[in-house]
Amino acid sequence: AQSVAQPEDQVNVAEGNPLTVKCTYSVSGNPYLFWYVQYPNRGLQFLLKYITGDNLVKGSYGFEAEFNKSQTSFHLKKPSALVSDSALYFCAVRGQNKLIFGAGTRLAVHP
Amino acid sequence: SAVISQKPSRDICQRGTSLTIQCQVDSQVTMMFWYRQQPGQSLTLIATANQGSEATYESGFVIDKFPISRPNLTFSTLTVSNLSPEDSSIYLCSVVYRVGETQYFGPGTRLLVL
Repeated sequence: AQSVAQPEDQVNVAEGNPLTVKCTYSVSGNPYLFWYVQYPNRGLQFLLKYITGDNLVKGSYGFEAEFNKSQTSFHLKKPSALVSDSALYFCAVRGQNKLIFGAGTRLAVHP
Repeated sequence: SAVISQKPSRDICQRGTSLTIQCQVDSQVTMMFWYRQQPGQSLTLIATANQGSEATYESGFVIDKFPISRPNLTFSTLTVSNLSPEDSSIYLCSVVYRVGETQYFGPGTRLLVL
């Protein structure tokens, strides 16, 4: 069965520093992986996805994610964090035409 | 990206009543889904809304509690029936325009049951 793990409930980073939000997955076959962001009192916004091709995927708002097949990971990264990046981030994997979500990681960027 | 609207955006309901949530998409989509996000939790898929036929429910969700309609390719409703405080959640509509492509989410409906 497909599953996604986000091992950190919260990540704290200072503004201007690089950030990483971790995600590992378990799937049978090729993984279709996604990152979404949820700002307070808002729905989910799509950030980026990996289907095939380059292991480094670039997405919205300067975010990128690195697919690592050997480590079954799809970590979200940004070179320089902004206070406005503070939000709840979800990693997801597609299985049987359905998205399976991780528990979410709250990112707090401090001035 | 998608333009998805949900009505109402929020509501406060009394236990024992029902709430119907509408989801409208800007253009035809192949797949529509309904998710629940309980306070402080991740998203859980309730069901896949099938056009012109009964929805496909996930384990733990039943049609009597969560009846769903999808009369066409741009519209769906989710009803949460016989409300209890445990139903207090955010309910999100989600769509896929073409199979295999990105899944987009609506803004959500915040439900509080007293």
